[in-house]
Amino acid sequence: DTGVSQDPRHKITKRGQNVTFRCDPISEHNRLYWYRQTLGQGPEFLTYFQNEAQLEKSRLLSDRFSAERPKGSFSTLEIQRTEQGDSAMYLCASSTLTGGLNTEAFFGQGTRLTVV
Amino acid sequence: AQKITQTQPGMFVQEKEAVTLDCTYDTSDQSYGLFWYKQPSSGEMIFLIYQGSYDEQNATEGRYSLNFQKARKSANLVISASQLGDSAMYFCAMREGHWSGAGSYQLTFGKGTKLSVIP
Repeated sequence: DTGVSQDPRHKITKRGQNVTFRCDPISEHNRLYWYRQTLGQGPEFLTYFQNEAQLEKSRLLSDRFSAERPKGSFSTLEIQRTEQGDSAMYLCASSTLTGGLNTEAFFGQGTRLTVV
Repeated sequence: AQKITQTQPGMFVQEKEAVTLDCTYDTSDQSYGLFWYKQPSSGEMIFLIYQGSYDEQNATEGRYSLNFQKARKSANLVISASQLGDSAMYFCAMREGHWSGAGSYQLTFGKGTKLSVIP
């Protein structure tokens, strides 16, 4: 499989529970991004890793959110004490380290979170 | 202010006809890149085409072309010979920064346009 893989594809959780999503980027890609997409909106940037270093965090990433990429390969996104407003599609993307502005990001199919 | 504006929530096009999806952007950077992505109902964002701010020619990729008007800050996507499989959400996005790649790598997306191709 040469694409970005996300697991699970769907997650239903009760409000207040913790959830964790996993993203496996394309193997030679050093850059990894997390985005959140709510219904009727475009994806919104959450955070960016270059190898294992988290270099950018959006103000959307509240204290309840934490992302890691411990070995510079796969990444996890954890949401603690979920709220109904966290219901969204969480998209992971990766891109190569070389290249400039035209470096395209390849997206996974996303994890759809529903908080009930 | 919105950085990426897509004014068409939905568009219909007859199969085999051409369609233009509008996108305007707002940035004070001299170096930036503009992207179009397609999102089918499966959810995956599929890269279609890229235009750099310093590119003098409009980008083309198969049936996709980008009508780049820098002075008007518009980057419209033109799909020629529409096919039923083109029915999807289409998102315009921008990356701001230096040509070398320095700066933020995040993409800022518009709200999208839902394209429906009619047989």
